[in-house]
Amino acid sequence: DTEVTQTPKHLVMGMTNKKSLKCEQHMGHRAMYWYKQKAKKPPELMFVYSYEKLSINESVPSRFSPECPNSSLLNLHLHALQPEDSALYLCASSQVPGGGLSGYTFGSGTRLTVV
Amino acid sequence: SQQGEEDPQALSIQEGENATMNCSYKTSINNLQWYRQNSGRGLVHLILIRSNEREKHSGRLRVTLDTSKKSSSLLITASRAADTASYFCATPTYSGGGADGLTFGKGTHLIIQP
Repeated sequence: DTEVTQTPKHLVMGMTNKKSLKCEQHMGHRAMYWYKQKAKKPPELMFVYSYEKLSINESVPSRFSPECPNSSLLNLHLHALQPEDSALYLCASSQVPGGGLSGYTFGSGTRLTVV
Repeated sequence: SQQGEEDPQALSIQEGENATMNCSYKTSINNLQWYRQNSGRGLVHLILIRSNEREKHSGRLRVTLDTSKKSSSLLITASRAADTASYFCATPTYSGGGADGLTFGKGTHLIIQP
């Protein structure tokens, strides 16, 4: 298995909703990441989990809450989002933090719309 | 902050021609990576070049790295319609504990005209 699987692919949520994005990989990668990407912009790093510990939190608002239940799973819990949080949310993994020799493997993303 | 800056921001060429994209970065790097993204979906890792390498090939891709100029280029030879995508360079960011995430450049949107 050489994929990162993200669910759901699309999500529409109201500003008072609570939802979760899920990410799964079975490549034995020990680093997992959440990125946010707005249209026509590069991905921006949100969170890094290294060996299942949160190591980077790029000053992301508390309405985004990451969770790493085990080395294969990564969740992003969403609560009280704003319309400007609408974006493509990408999960990625790598063998070691920083990518090592094989770079990152990205999921296909969750397209989130906040109404 | 953006570590890498690609140029051009957009490039349109005829199928069969070669496409060259450039990337500049600001700080010292351990490696530089290139990714492709189709239609706002996930990114695909294309090639990684280490700081002690000057050139690397993978199929129709050729990447060069000039650490003295803090720049890299990606050449796609004999372009195909399927190469239409956005291309990003990316460099690892480092904290006291070692390498962390990747910082991406602004990207080049490549269009291959049939």
